[in-house]
Amino acid sequence: NAGVTQTPKFQVLKTGQSMTLQCAQDMNHEYMSWYRQDPGMGLRLIHYSVGAGITDQGEVPNGYNVSRSTTEDFPLRLLSAAPSQTSVYFCASSLLAGGSEQYFGPGTRLTVT
Amino acid sequence: TQLLEQSPQFLSIQEGENLTVYCNSSSVFSSLQWYRQEPGEGPVLLVTVVTGGEVKKLKRLTFQFGDARKDSSLHITAAQPGDTGLYLCAEGGATNKLIFGTGTLLAVQP
Repeated sequence: NAGVTQTPKFQVLKTGQSMTLQCAQDMNHEYMSWYRQDPGMGLRLIHYSVGAGITDQGEVPNGYNVSRSTTEDFPLRLLSAAPSQTSVYFCASSLLAGGSEQYFGPGTRLTVT
Repeated sequence: TQLLEQSPQFLSIQEGENLTVYCNSSSVFSSLQWYRQEPGEGPVLLVTVVTGGEVKKLKRLTFQFGDARKDSSLHITAAQPGDTGLYLCAEGGATNKLIFGTGTLLAVQP
């Protein structure tokens, strides 16, 4: 049981490049979410999903796309990276929606130059 | 949008000291979670509080939920270096979203 896995661990992009951050969970959780963490700002919700085929926006969705084709996977896409997207990105999953325990992945540290 | 303010933002203490960190909201919590995050890792859940006035204890950590459910505190007794980390409160339950506070970074010096 691996829990929540994220790849890559580190990534450097140039402005305008695109990439996908991968997230997978093996706990059969319905709820998955993406957060970004910046110094002094805690964790901010980007997008979330309450089940396969269903996604919704969080607090800071601009510049990011998501899809949820399976229960296990919830990739985050940056279509045209900007320096403001330099951050640490965490994926999380939980059995139910927002009020239940979130299990977090180890994070992806992204730098956009 | 619910705002969660945590204070203090940073705390550096000596081993053995006691401390309290706070989480305050602009509106009523449905439920409140406390997480601890160690460097290079994702947050890990410590406790969930649901009822106004509720007190929960986890070894040397005491969590309190305000009577009006708009504030919460975390008290650590006799802090240890292993308590070092970022403490985050998070509100969820009324919607599908879990919203995090700004965090308190605790450093416990041996």
